[in-house]
Amino acid sequence: GAVVSQHPSWVICKSGTSVKIECRSLDFQATTMFWYRQFPKQSLMLMATSNEGSKATYEQGVEKDKFLINHASLTLSTLTVTSAHPEDSSFYICSARDSGKDNQPQHFGDGTRLSIL
Amino acid sequence: GQNIDQPTEMTATEGAIVQINCTYQTSGFNGLFWYQQHAGEAPTFLSYNVLDGLEEKGRFSSFLSRSKGYSYLLLKELQMKDSASYLCAVLDSNYQLIWGAGTKLIIKP
Repeated sequence: GAVVSQHPSWVICKSGTSVKIECRSLDFQATTMFWYRQFPKQSLMLMATSNEGSKATYEQGVEKDKFLINHASLTLSTLTVTSAHPEDSSFYICSARDSGKDNQPQHFGDGTRLSIL
Repeated sequence: GQNIDQPTEMTATEGAIVQINCTYQTSGFNGLFWYQQHAGEAPTFLSYNVLDGLEEKGRFSSFLSRSKGYSYLLLKELQMKDSASYLCAVLDSNYQLIWGAGTKLIIKP
């Protein structure tokens, strides 16, 4: 089945550090990838939709300068949390869908647990 | 606006059957997904319905009625490992996935 790899799984760093998270589709091409954030005991919140070769589409209330997204190839999207602060501590999850198959399920990476001290 | 409703929490007994309902109001419909999410983990895909009726996959079945904007996930022969959140999500006319808040299922021995 479709596999999405997300790296790293855990990040603990000091306030003010920038953190990059990678999301790779391993056995399919993904024109579109999705970045979610989930706080403890809360539902998934879509942050942005990453589009290969073009700018990401951000959801309302998500700062594009804070959460930089790059989707340089059909198998890789990156999310950079710039100048992270403790309130950015959360579970970040990416997902991807096979290109040209809009009605196929999104497949999720294992998530990145980000803790900012 | 777009809306997906599912119960916040349900409790069931090991070995029993439980039905988790989901109602939706979206701009268009291109299918409904159910995902399972264990605490601290990412969601995993369970089922996809785009036509009315019941889809069975082992102990799990999913039902859809498009005219009623309604789906349910049926879990049989419950096991302790089925304790998780179950997320209902609808693909709208723009192929955007609209997520429900999830139903936390607690299985008791």
